Amino acid sequence: DVKVTQSSRYLVKRTGEKVFLECVQDMDHENMFWYRQDPGLGLRLIYFSYDVKMKEKGDIPEGYSVSREKKERFSLILESASTNQTSMYLCASSFGLWDGSSYEQYFGPGTRLTVT
Amino acid sequence: EDKVVQSPLSLVVHEGDTVTLNCSYEVTNFRSLLWYKQEKKAPTFLFMLTSSGIEKKSGRLSSILDKKELFSILNITATQTGDSAIYLCAVAGNQAGTALIFGKGTTLSVSS
Repeated sequence: DVKVTQSSRYLVKRTGEKVFLECVQDMDHENMFWYRQDPGLGLRLIYFSYDVKMKEKGDIPEGYSVSREKKERFSLILESASTNQTSMYLCASSFGLWDGSSYEQYFGPGTRLTVT
Repeated sequence: EDKVVQSPLSLVVHEGDTVTLNCSYEVTNFRSLLWYKQEKKAPTFLFMLTSSGIEKKSGRLSSILDKKELFSILNITATQTGDSAIYLCAVAGNQAGTALIFGKGTTLSVSS
C-alpha cells in the first residue's frame, strides 16, 4: 500500500514564525503536491513538484515556498506565518506517467495548522 | 478559467436512501475525472473515469461520466451511516504534470 506521511497532525504556531511542514512518500512517486483545505473553499493547490529540485506554483502560492531535495520528501515552508494561513494542509503524491492511468493522487493524513 | 462545480454542497438523508452527487466541469483538454471520499482525514480514492458513458461500480457506489455534457454523477444506493463524508470531484486537464482541479465537495450526512 502507498503510504504518505506528514510530520505533524496538529501544529500551533505564532504569527511571524517560520513553519516547516514535511511530507514523505514511500512509493517512488515522481509528483508531489501541497494543498490547503478550508470550509467552503475545498482543496486548493499551493505548489507541486514533478521531480527532485523542480517545483511549480499552484493556485495560491503566495506566502509559501517548497523544497524537494530528495524524491520521497516534499516540504512546505511558511516563511512568516500569518493568521490567514490557519488551515488543514494536505500532501499528496502520484506517478509521473502521462498515459492517463496515473492521475490518482494518494493523500497524507493532513496537518491542522493554527496560527495565533 | 478551468473550474469544477459540485452540487449539492451538502445533503442529509436517512439510512437506506439512494443519493446522487453531481460534478460539472469546464476544463481545457480534459483527460480524466476522479472521485474521492474524505472522512475525518485523508481523501481516499473511489473512481477514475476517462471515457464517456463508462460506468464504474464498486459495491453500492457507481459513477458515470458524460464527456459531451461535461458532467459526472456519483450514485450511492442503500446508504449507511458509514457513507457520511465529504465527496470530492477532481479533474485532470491542461495543468502541468498530473495536477488536479478539485471541486468544493459535497458533504453527505446519513442519519440512522
